[in-house]
Amino acid sequence: AQKVTQAQTEISVVEKEDVTLDCVYETRDTTYYLFWYKQPPSGELVFLIRRNSFDEQNEISGRYSWNFQKSTSSFNFTITASQVVDSAVYFCALSETKARGGADGLTFGKGTHLIIQP
Amino acid sequence: NAGVTQTPKFRILKIGQSMTLQCTQDMNHNYMYWYRQDPGMGLKLIYYSVGAGITDKGEVPNGYNVSRSTTEDFPLRLELAAPSQTSVYFCASSYSGIRVEMGAFFGQGTRLTVV
Repeated sequence: AQKVTQAQTEISVVEKEDVTLDCVYETRDTTYYLFWYKQPPSGELVFLIRRNSFDEQNEISGRYSWNFQKSTSSFNFTITASQVVDSAVYFCALSETKARGGADGLTFGKGTHLIIQP
Repeated sequence: NAGVTQTPKFRILKIGQSMTLQCTQDMNHNYMYWYRQDPGMGLKLIYYSVGAGITDKGEVPNGYNVSRSTTEDFPLRLELAAPSQTSVYFCASSYSGIRVEMGAFFGQGTRLTVV
């Protein structure tokens, strides 16, 4: 069965510091997808990124970057020059493909509560 | 473009009451999901559907029922509410096939309290 572990329950940094959120996953499938979602205090879930298991290229989007390493089953998320608006709970999630040609839902980690202090 | 719409946003139920959480999407997605989020936890899959007329259990289906009569709607029913069902419920939808990698689109959530 698949599993996602976010060992960091809460991280607190001062604004403008860089911060990395860790995500380790377990799966038996060779084809799978990894995601990061942001949940701000308002409660909605905001999609940030997805990565499929065949694409290990790192990705950068503005102040956000993601490091995917299959060798260590990790998909870490870094925020550079953090801002107060980055304060939120961040979830890493895994989706496995099934014979029907789609996914049967996401397996979420427990989330990391990121606090950016001004 | 409404996306995924859930109603109601908040609800208080008494133990033993029943209710239906409504979810509709206007993106013509085949896949739809119901998750629950307990305090300090990630989301857990209750039920999902890969298309109209097809539903499957997720990780925590006990105490819930679903139906999928149309592509757009995926209601979640609680028959006998229990305090353990106090949670925030999220409905989501996604593309199927190779487009599933585009990720799921989530509703705003329904905060349910059972007293």
